[in-house]
Amino acid sequence: KNQVEQSPQSLIILEGKNCTLQCNYTVSPFSNLRWYKQDTGRGPVSLTIMTFSENTKSNGRYTATLDADTKQSSLHITASQLSDSASYICVVSAGGATNKLIFGTGTLLAVQP
Amino acid sequence: DGGITQSPKYLFRKEGQNVTLSCEQNLNHDAMYWYRQDPGQGLRLIYYSQIVNDFQKGDIAEGYSVSREKKESFPLTVTSAQKNPTAFYLCASSPTSGRGNSYEQYFGPGTRLTVT
Repeated sequence: KNQVEQSPQSLIILEGKNCTLQCNYTVSPFSNLRWYKQDTGRGPVSLTIMTFSENTKSNGRYTATLDADTKQSSLHITASQLSDSASYICVVSAGGATNKLIFGTGTLLAVQP
Repeated sequence: DGGITQSPKYLFRKEGQNVTLSCEQNLNHDAMYWYRQDPGQGLRLIYYSQIVNDFQKGDIAEGYSVSREKKESFPLTVTSAQKNPTAFYLCASSPTSGRGNSYEQYFGPGTRLTVT
């Protein structure tokens, strides 16, 4: 069964600190992996998208890594800001005929002053 | 939220009533999607459309209907047959006709529907 699991479910950090969010997937075939940021009550906004051949991709203070062998991805946030408080969703696109998006349940990050 | 608008932001309806959620995009995207988001669950695909006048069921299409008469618009109707309609509904569009492939999906701001 195609699944995307994220950990931790929630996380509280102090402003200025770094954090790493995890994503494990069992999606086959694999096309690409995306990280989205979703503010409360808003639509998700794309942070990064990585294909099979990409190991890392950055977007400002956000750096995503992908290990296609172990089917793991991480999102590292550097020097966190209060505006980073949001839900971070890992999404895997299945290749093949269906090309379906499999969504994780998200990690809820709270950055406190 | 890009060039995708959803209205209204909040919607309240009585049980047994049909309700239509609006989704408009000015990104000239071919594909459009409707998702449902419930607490503690990942987004689930309701319907998607690859081209005008054509659409396909997603994973949880029962109790929903859509139309795609214009490229820019993809309204979703939540019918009285939907057993648990209270949820956060998200519309998305993509610059490709695929069902969510490597091309980016851009999401609207969402509509929170509450049915009592």
